[in-house]
Amino acid sequence: AQTVTQSQPEMSVQEAETVTLSCTYDTSESDYYLFWYKQPPSRQMILVIRQEAYKQQNATENRFSVNFQKAAKSFSLKISDSQLGDAAMYFCAYRSGETSGSRLTFGEGTQLTVNP
Amino acid sequence: DSGVTQTPKHLITATGQRVTLRCSPRSGDLSVYWYQQSLDQGLQFLIQYYNGEERAKGNILERFSAQQFPDLHSELNLSSLELGDSALYFCASSVVGLTETQYFGPGTRLLVL
Repeated sequence: AQTVTQSQPEMSVQEAETVTLSCTYDTSESDYYLFWYKQPPSRQMILVIRQEAYKQQNATENRFSVNFQKAAKSFSLKISDSQLGDAAMYFCAYRSGETSGSRLTFGEGTQLTVNP
Repeated sequence: DSGVTQTPKHLITATGQRVTLRCSPRSGDLSVYWYQQSLDQGLQFLIQYYNGEERAKGNILERFSAQQFPDLHSELNLSSLELGDSALYFCASSVVGLTETQYFGPGTRLLVL
């Protein structure tokens, strides 16, 4: 079974600075997808970014980018120019690529605080 | 707004009772997933339906059941409720395909007293 680990329960960053959230995963599969979801105080789960394992290029969405290291099974999220609205719980998630419609396996989450 | 709707937003009930949570997927999405988020278990996959058929089961208790109707909305039924069932229950939907991404509804917050 796949597992996802987020080793940083809490992180903080100054507004306008850059922060990196860590995620590692364990799998024997070669084809899979990785995601970062954001959960603000409203508790809504919001997709931040997605990475396909077969792509070598790291995904980028505006101020959010990932560092995907397939051999190391590492998938970190970098938030640049942090804003107060980025404060949330961030979850790393894994989905198998072997079958369509696979479940998401989530990490424990990292609570990000943005200080003004 | 993800396009996935869930009702009710909040639910307070007593132990031993039965409740039904409802989910309407995004337009065009055939797959519906149910997840439970609790303080001690984190975010866990419960069950998935695809076009009316059960596709995958996760850590779903026997007291829980789900179904997906012809109009693609889904219901999660929780019975013989216990205090430990108090959690946030999410529904997510996706289109079919290997690059599919799951989009989450706002969740139903269940409190069992």
